[in-house]
Amino acid sequence: SYELTQPLSVSVALGQTARITCGGNNIGSKNVHWYQQKPGQAPVLVIYRDSNRPSGIPERFSGSNSGNTATLTISRAQAGDEADYYCQVWDSSTASEVFGGGTKLTVL
Amino acid sequence: EVQLVESGGGVVQPGGSLRLSCAASGFTFDDYAMHWVRQAPGKGLEWVSLISGDGGSTYYADSVKGRFTISRDNSKNSLYLQMNSLRTEDTALYYCAKDYVRAHDAFDIWGQGTMVTVSS
Repeated sequence: SYELTQPLSVSVALGQTARITCGGNNIGSKNVHWYQQKPGQAPVLVIYRDSNRPSGIPERFSGSNSGNTATLTISRAQAGDEADYYCQVWDSSTASEVFGGGTKLTVL
Repeated sequence: EVQLVESGGGVVQPGGSLRLSCAASGFTFDDYAMHWVRQAPGKGLEWVSLISGDGGSTYYADSVKGRFTISRDNSKNSLYLQMNSLRTEDTALYYCAKDYVRAHDAFDIWGQGTMVTVSS
């Protein structure tokens, strides 16, 4: 089965740039989506198809995908960005959606 | 307003059954594939199942294949998950989610979830 690997936690100073990675075999050939989940809330889509932002998501959120790593970048991090972040892909070889294990972002 | 509202969760004994429902509003329901995603307490997201807009194609995670059945009634704008032979490891908050634009796309709308607890 296809696996996505995320760091358990990432810390960033207030106002600095956070980068959360999502590793997978040749993930660059897939469309990667990113979700933000705050405690007690449903996930929210923040990046779709590698680098696109849905309406209402700040420009501070951006994404990239190449080779074996996709990256979610959060610029000028704010306290309100503290959350769990998940990457997700569709794996056609197993006909299944796959989520990464999630990364807890802490803003210091 | 685009909205998904899940219902049907509860406490069930191991080996028991439960049927979850998801009521959709604010969009043309049969234009979109729909998903069930679950989250065990304190754990990450786990995809469970997918059904195409016309209901003709379904997909399942290996962990639920043969025990869970996804279905939809487009006349009622509703999505369902029939869960049989439930196990303690099926305990989770179950979300329904909508595909963004096309098949196998991002999940742009999520419900608030319904809790399923499997315990004796």
